[in-house]
Amino acid sequence: DSGVTQTPKHLITATGQRVTLRCSPRSGDLSVYWYQQSLDQGLQFLIQYYNGEERAKGNILERFSAQQFPDLHSELNLSSLELGDSALYFCASSVGQAANSPLHFGNGTRLTVT
Amino acid sequence: GDSVTQMEGPVTLSEEACLTINCTYTATGYPSLFWYVQYPGEGLQLLLKATKADDKGSNKGFEATYRKETTSFHLEKGSVQVSDSAVYFCALRLNTGANSKLTFGKGITLSVRP
Repeated sequence: DSGVTQTPKHLITATGQRVTLRCSPRSGDLSVYWYQQSLDQGLQFLIQYYNGEERAKGNILERFSAQQFPDLHSELNLSSLELGDSALYFCASSVGQAANSPLHFGNGTRLTVT
Repeated sequence: GDSVTQMEGPVTLSEEACLTINCTYTATGYPSLFWYVQYPGEGLQLLLKATKADDKGSNKGFEATYRKETTSFHLEKGSVQVSDSAVYFCALRLNTGANSKLTFGKGITLSVRP
């Protein structure tokens, strides 16, 4: 058990809809990262937060947004969903931003857009 | 940009065979290197890490040595088991302040036959 909790585990929704994915980081971890895993694109970094502030953006679409709350949990909002958004979405956390500190991953939310 | 290249897969081995999974990297700074493993239906788990040149990470019989001169971090195991069947990801992490994400290779699927 990594200590990172993601909910829900599975989400099935229709095109054009909006969903929210939730992540609770490990106790004490201030950094939260979101990744998208798809068969053709592999693991793609979406966005990072550190202690409530956005720190880095990767290949995140404008239809997607995220935030980190004062209690350090994070939410990833996906809107105007398309079939191609179907993927596994992972949240990861780390104590800080030092390179030698590993990221700890949750079990992911599998999103299916029909 | 920073990147990780893994050998093409999938790889199928018989139980007790030797395993080598190649990984090379390109980085603008001095990264820390990681191997993560993803078992079916689960999230990514840290397998091992190395944070400086010539460091050897090891865990569960797996080893990898940080080779700065060849920019490589190959994963090895002397005798694989059926339970090692999973997807293996090589990754790097830089400490550049605003950009501390993990950059992953494409991953390689290992199947071990009894």
